[in-house]
Amino acid sequence: EVQLVESGGNLVKPGGSLRLSCAASGFTFTNAWMNWVRQAPGKGLEWVGHIKSETDGGTTDYPAPVKGRFTISRDDSTNTVYLQMNSLKTEDTAVYYCTKLRGIAGAWYVDLWGRGTLVTVSS
Amino acid sequence: SYELTQPPSVSVSPGQTARITCSGDKLGDKYTCWYKQKPGQSPVLVIYQDTKRPSGIPERFSGFNSGNTATLTISGTQTMDEADYYCQAWDSTTAVFGGGTKLTVL
Repeated sequence: EVQLVESGGNLVKPGGSLRLSCAASGFTFTNAWMNWVRQAPGKGLEWVGHIKSETDGGTTDYPAPVKGRFTISRDDSTNTVYLQMNSLKTEDTAVYYCTKLRGIAGAWYVDLWGRGTLVTVSS
Repeated sequence: SYELTQPPSVSVSPGQTARITCSGDKLGDKYTCWYKQKPGQSPVLVIYQDTKRPSGIPERFSGFNSGNTATLTISGTQTMDEADYYCQAWDSTTAVFGGGTKLTVL
């Protein structure tokens, strides 16, 4: 079955760290560009960052709100992508979705979403 | 930073045509995709590369993108189409989402 399963969401204090995992199955993970998207309670979708396939360089990109605090990595031997979150803030509270990107340059889209994992940052 | 603007809400009667817009500077020069999200569920892709429908998405969903506006059109809207809809585009290597539009079918 083609799926993404996130884990690692939890309650963490401001300033703390958390690592999310996403286990992929049912597709060729090594070729996939992987993406994290979050959704704060009652709010819209927000891109958190992505990582290219190793064959495309394995590089990452992040938006300004998380750059320098969040790091995406991947382990192609276990078909897993990670989101390391440091210096967490209350505004990072959200459901975090692991997603798979597909498409061509400038026209990527998410063709597979996980169910999400909830991260709550609160004292 | 690049921004995409959507109306917060759109209402339509069953069987009528719903149009949801997404505006951004020279958006027509970029590719836009659309996601549908029902409460408590993960989003689902309904349109990609401006006009293409993924397998399994009904033909009543269509997309268009030109100038500064992309439009998602749902023809013969059904009650099952009631959901939040998000547009998304790329500004260089940065993904941008619109704020979302709540479609009410009543």
